[in-house]
Formats: sequence, structure tokens, C-alpha cells
Amino acid sequence: EVQLSESGGGSVQTGGSLRLSCAASGITFSNYGMSWVRQAPGKGLEWVSAISGSGGSTYYADSVKGRFTISRDNSKNRLYLQMNSLRAEDTAVYYCAKEDCYDFCYYMDVWGKGTTVTVSS
Amino acid sequence: QSALTQPASMSGSPGQSITISCTGTSSDVGSYNLVSWYQHHPGKAPKLMIYAVSKRPSGVSNRFSGSKSGNTASLTISGLQAEDEADYYCFSYAGSSTLRVFGGGTKLTVL
Repeated sequence: EVQLSESGGGSVQTGGSLRLSCAASGITFSNYGMSWVRQAPGKGLEWVSAISGSGGSTYYADSVKGRFTISRDNSKNRLYLQMNSLRAEDTAVYYCAKEDCYDFCYYMDVWGKGTTVTVSS
Repeated sequence: QSALTQPASMSGSPGQSITISCTGTSSDVGSYNLVSWYQHHPGKAPKLMIYAVSKRPSGVSNRFSGSKSGNTASLTISGLQAEDEADYYCFSYAGSSTLRVFGGGTKLTVL
């Protein structure tokens, strides 16, 4: 069974940094593109970032471009999201999600349960 | 990166059918057959229900179906059941600049 488990969430002050991690099991991790998606309190889902299976291609939503960095360690079956210059509007539950192909097929077939990030002053 | 437009809420009685719309533009929904739909029960992981406009993943009930016409995609749920009560989101590829976009979400209530 494919499982994704996020960690690293917590409370941080405005302007601070946080690194989220997502551990994958049950798959050959390097074979799949991965994404981060978030949901702010009372809001809908928002796509944040995506990375190809090799890690060679990365993409970001305009709202996080220049502040967040997605990366992966295929030897450890882990996906990361480095979040810098955090703002109150980054407060959300962050989900990692697996794409159903090596690079990007633009849909996510397996999701983690999420980790909560709270940014406050 | 403007969100795709979905009705904020919909409701139906058990056994009925409902159709949730997802309206985009010629730059996203209208240009690519890359619309997917997700069911989200609060506090749980979202679940893929439909991908590539109308394909259903293994294990998803055939009561769920998807379609697209022009710039609008649709998710139809037939034979509504209590467990279908959830939030539903559409998602689409939106080209090389905007990349990817979710709909605003539809809260489905089963009366």
C-alpha cells in the first residue's frame, strides 16, 4: 500500500522558516512526480509546488515563488518543502501528494494526511 | 492564477443525482483534457475521484463520472449516498505560465 506521511509543521513567527518533510512508502519513489498542496483555514485547496521524479524540474505557484523550495531525496524516499520568509497567509495544512507518472500528469492519486503550519506575529 | 469557478454549495437527497460544475477559461479547462476531481472529508486526506476529465481510478465507485464541454468540466454523482457528503474540488493544468489551478470547492450536503 502506498503511504505518504508529512512532518515538520508547527508554529513560527512571521518572517521565519520551516522545512516540511514527506516520507513515502510502498512505491519506487523516484518513479513519480510529487506535489505540495495546502489548505488555509476555512479556504479551499491551493496547489503550491511540484517536482519531477528525478528532481530536475520544479514548479511553483506565484504565491510562494522565491520563498519556498521543493526538493527530494530519492535515496531516502523523502520529499521536502523549505519555506522561508513566511507570512500569515501561509498558515495552512500542507499535504504532499503523488502524481501518477514519472514527471507530471497533472493529477494526484495518493495524498498524505497533512501537517499544520501556523505563522503568527 | 485565478481559481476555477465552482458553486460554493450544493445539496441532494439520497438516491438523487447531482452535477457539480467547474468553469475555467480557454487557457486551462478549455485547452487541456487534464481536469481531475477530488473528494475531501474535513480532517482527512483528499481522494482522487476522476482524472483526465472522465477516467475513474480503480476502486472509485462508478456512481462518479466526469465530462467536459468547452471551458466547463462537470462531476456527476448518481445515486447519492450519505457518505458522499464532502467537499469536492476540480483541478486543471493551466499552461506553462500558470501551471496548475484548483477550483474554489463545492460543499455537498446529502439531505
